[in-house]
Amino acid sequence: DTEVTQTPKHLVMGMTNKKSLKCEQHMGHRAMYWYKQKAKKPPELMFVYSYEKLSINESVPSRFSPECPNSSLLNLHLHALQPEDSALYLCASSRGTPEQFFGPGTRLTVL
Amino acid sequence: DAKTTQPNSMESNEEEPVHLPCNHSTISGTDYIHWYRQLPSQGPEYVIHGLTSNVNNRMASLAIAEDRKSSTLILHRATLRDAAVYYCILTYNNNDMRFGAGTRLTVKP
Repeated sequence: DTEVTQTPKHLVMGMTNKKSLKCEQHMGHRAMYWYKQKAKKPPELMFVYSYEKLSINESVPSRFSPECPNSSLLNLHLHALQPEDSALYLCASSRGTPEQFFGPGTRLTVL
Repeated sequence: DAKTTQPNSMESNEEEPVHLPCNHSTISGTDYIHWYRQLPSQGPEYVIHGLTSNVNNRMASLAIAEDRKSSTLILHRATLRDAAVYYCILTYNNNDMRFGAGTRLTVKP
């Protein structure tokens, strides 16, 4: 298994909703990442987990809450989002080498 | 963070070589040069990386200037499938990738 899977593919939520994005990999990678990508812009790093511990948090608002329950799974919990948070959320994993493996992303729309 | 400068867009013809430039005049001695690409409607994909010497792999070649202030990603025979946004990234920490604006490559049949 050489892929990163993300669910759901699409998500529409209201500003008062709570939802979660899920990312999974079974490549034995110990580093996992969340990126946010707005339309026609490059991906922006949000969070990095290394060996299940948060190692980088790019000053992301607290309405985004990451969680790494085990080495294969990465969640992003969403609460009280704003319409400007609508974007493609990409998950990636790596062995700590330069090659990061990206999932297809979850396209989030906040109404 | 050291900054990279890439052309906004480039065009090439199918089956011809493509040279994608990246300027990084403020690169530090420990920064590696990484290239990723993002095909339409997909997540980014690793292409190649290097430090000082030129590098080749099955996807591309990376030519690094002797002073390391610029580099060039070379696709030896462009195909329609190579149409993508190509990102040049500098980092010494493999976990800390910061994507710049990139170059949108169009491949014409």
